[in-house]
Amino acid sequence: GENVEQHPSTLSVQEGDSAVIKCTYSDSASNYFPWYKQELGKGPQLIIDIRSNVGEKKDQRIAVTLNKTAKHFSLHITETQPEDSAVYFCAASSARYSSASKIIFGSGTRLSIRP
Amino acid sequence: EAQVTQNPRYLITVTGKKLTVTCSQNMNHEYMSWYRQDPGLGLRQIYYSMNVEVTDKGDVPEGYKVSRKEKRNFPLILESPSPNQTSLYFCASSLFNSGGHLDTQYFGPGTRLTVL
Repeated sequence: GENVEQHPSTLSVQEGDSAVIKCTYSDSASNYFPWYKQELGKGPQLIIDIRSNVGEKKDQRIAVTLNKTAKHFSLHITETQPEDSAVYFCAASSARYSSASKIIFGSGTRLSIRP
Repeated sequence: EAQVTQNPRYLITVTGKKLTVTCSQNMNHEYMSWYRQDPGLGLRQIYYSMNVEVTDKGDVPEGYKVSRKEKRNFPLILESPSPNQTSLYFCASSLFNSGGHLDTQYFGPGTRLTVL
């Protein structure tokens, strides 16, 4: 079946440095790739997403890149700050209003920012 | 305030005792979904619904039921809970954008279920 692999499972970076989390997906019909941040005791919250017709998207310190040929996408966080410490999840979906589809999540990356 | 609410937030029950976890959203979203979150496994989709009276299985549907009689509500039903259903459960909802593609998912605060 479809799956999404996410690496690394844990990541520790010095405050101010960059962090990169990578995901690969198996379903070539996937067209929507969101990234979620989950803080302790809370539900996941969308931080950025990208669709299959775009190769890169940036929002301030956060960027996502997509390589459809290789079926992988990555989250880049620059100038990391203590409040970036959280668990991050990638996901892939081919859902459209005209066709039902599951959403597949990666297993998560625990990001720790060292002061 | 736009939100997804779940009840209860915490539940301890015993094997075989039927339970329902409610989920409600006030954003008029078509797509609703239930996930379970387990350590090292991330979020796994249990069931999803594209609209009223339209539901389908996710990756781990065994032992669960859902219904979508109204657009705003999407309850998760465990007819005969077992200890392997002990988990953290999240409900989520989203719109389809003008292009018919799935848009941002909004998650509820979670329900921590323990089945003894």
